[in-house]
Parts: sequence; C-alpha cells; structure tokens
Amino acid sequence: NAGVTQTPKFRVLKTGQSMTLLCAQDMNHEYMYWYRQDPGMGLRLIHYSVGEGTTAKGEVPDGYNVSRLKKQNFLLGLESAAPSQTSVYFCASSARTGESYEQYFGPGTRLTVT
Amino acid sequence: AQTVTQSQPEMSVQEAETVTLSCTYDTSESDYYLFWYKQPPSRQMILVIRQEAYKQQNATENRFSVNFQKAAKSFSLKISDSQLGDAAMYFCAYRSAFNFGNEKLTFGTGTRLTIIP
Repeated sequence: NAGVTQTPKFRVLKTGQSMTLLCAQDMNHEYMYWYRQDPGMGLRLIHYSVGEGTTAKGEVPDGYNVSRLKKQNFLLGLESAAPSQTSVYFCASSARTGESYEQYFGPGTRLTVT
Repeated sequence: AQTVTQSQPEMSVQEAETVTLSCTYDTSESDYYLFWYKQPPSRQMILVIRQEAYKQQNATENRFSVNFQKAAKSFSLKISDSQLGDAAMYFCAYRSAFNFGNEKLTFGTGTRLTIIP
C-alpha cells in the first residue's frame, strides 16, 4: 500500500516552460487536493477534486490547471511557468465519508523556476 | 471564510519537558474538525491528532493532547516528555464537517518546534 505518491520529486524549469505533476493514490479516495507550500505561508490550496471528472478552484488557482480523468490520479499542470511558482507542491487525498475526512499527503515536489 | 492563526512562528523546549503550541480559528459553523499536522525535515505531512467540534472531551494520542476551547475558538497542542524526534513544523488545520463545497483544509502558517538536548 503506497498511499499517495507524487512524480517527480524535484524539477527545475525555465520561465515559460510547461510541466505536469502527477499524483496517484491507491486508497480509493474520492477527494484529491493540490497545495503549494511557501516559507511563512503554510499550505495553500490550489485546486481540488471531489470525484472523477470534477475539479474546483482553491485559494490560489491562477497559473495552474488540473485534471482528474481517473479516480486514482490527479494531475497539476503549469502551462507557462513563472518564478513566482517556485514552491513545494503537495498532493493529498481523503475519503468522502469517514470520521474526520483525514487527508493523506504525498512526499511533495520541489519545483524551481528560473 | 474560515481562517486559522498560529501566532508562534518558533518555539523551543528542553528535551523531556512539556510545550504547548497555540492555534486559534475563526468560523461561523457549528460542526467542524480540527487537526494538528507535523512536518519533519523530510517534508512528509503527518497527522498528529484530530478533534471533532461536537465532542467536548479533548483528544489525546500518547504524549500529544489538545486543549479545545470551542467558545474561545482555540485549539492548542500540548506535547509532553518532548523528544528529539518531535522537532518539526507543526500546522493547525480546520475542516468543515459539511461537504458540498467545503471539502478542504484551511491551514495556519505553522510553528517551528526545536528540541534542545
């Protein structure tokens, strides 16, 4: 049982390049999330999904797109990377029902945009 | 919108002593969940403890316990018998008990805890 995995773990991009971060979970969770973590700002929600084929904007969605074509995968795309998108990105998942909707996190992806 | 505030950017404690991390939140909802997550240098986010708002009894998990004051909207974390492995960033988080647009966590900015040997 791998839990939540993220690919890649590290990436360096030049301004204007594009990339996709992949999140996969094997817990059959309905909900999936993408966060970014910046120094002094905690984790901020970028986009999330409450089920296959559905996505919704979070707190800081600009410059990112997402897709949830399969229940177990949640993709985060950067179409034209900017230095302001240098951050650590976390994916998380949680069940739709349960005692507390605990979120399980992936190990993070450190992205640097030069 | 809900907000979570952690007013202590950094804390330190002697090994084997007790430390309390503060968290306050703002919400108009009556039912919700509160969490403390730990993030060690490995970056992995680990759930430490959770509290359900409708339960008056404070949650405990081994050396970790909370002081949940619903009326004051306060949710502090107490770590007893601090160990070197407790050194980490600690995040307080809020989650509505209702779905339909509320299926997300709101995090505080974190408290960095240092353990002094």
